[in-house]
Amino acid sequence: NAGVMQNPRHLVRRRGQEARLRCSPMKGHSHVYWYRQLPEEGLKFMVYLQKENIIDESGMPKERFSAEFPKEGPSILRIQQVVRGDSAAYFCASSPRWRDGVNSPLHFGNGTRLTVT
Amino acid sequence: TQLLEQSPQFLSIQEGENLTVYCNSSSVFSSLQWYRQEPGEGPVLLVTVVTGGEVKKLKRLTFQFGDARKDSSLHITAAQPGDTGLYLCAEAGYNFNKFYFGSGTKLNVKP
Repeated sequence: NAGVMQNPRHLVRRRGQEARLRCSPMKGHSHVYWYRQLPEEGLKFMVYLQKENIIDESGMPKERFSAEFPKEGPSILRIQQVVRGDSAAYFCASSPRWRDGVNSPLHFGNGTRLTVT
Repeated sequence: TQLLEQSPQFLSIQEGENLTVYCNSSSVFSSLQWYRQEPGEGPVLLVTVVTGGEVKKLKRLTFQFGDARKDSSLHITAAQPGDTGLYLCAEAGYNFNKFYFGSGTKLNVKP
């Protein structure tokens, strides 16, 4: 029973490079959420995806950031032309179905810590 | 955007002490979840509360949901070093497209 798998755990990029963060949801889960966390802070919602569809991307910066969840393979959060302010921990969570707020809690991965030098 | 306020922001106590942390909002919660996050890991769900006035117990943890569903508390009895972590409350938006998280209470229990 593998949990939510994120890789890499740590990623170092120079300013201007691209960062690709991968998330494999729990088996049977078709809903994926990406959150960002700065040190000593809570999680900020970025995007909610189902297979092949972006449902809600209201928390995602309009430029440089994109996300996908293809029919096959992991969900990808892509950050182009990274800047120092992108340094943070990025967490992926999955749930099995449309959440009713009660019976479908979020299952989180252990995050990717992005450092931009 | 739902704004969740958690207090205190930091808490450092000795093993064996009791503590309470709080989560408040100016709006009514549809439902509320409490998570614990340990350093280097993702948050793990502790409990979901739905009904105003609800009380749930998880071993030494007691969760209360305010009657008006605008506040919640987490009480830990006889804290242990293993309770150390970041405690986060989260509320589902009414369309359940996202969960809004508070900024958390960072708890340190010293042996």
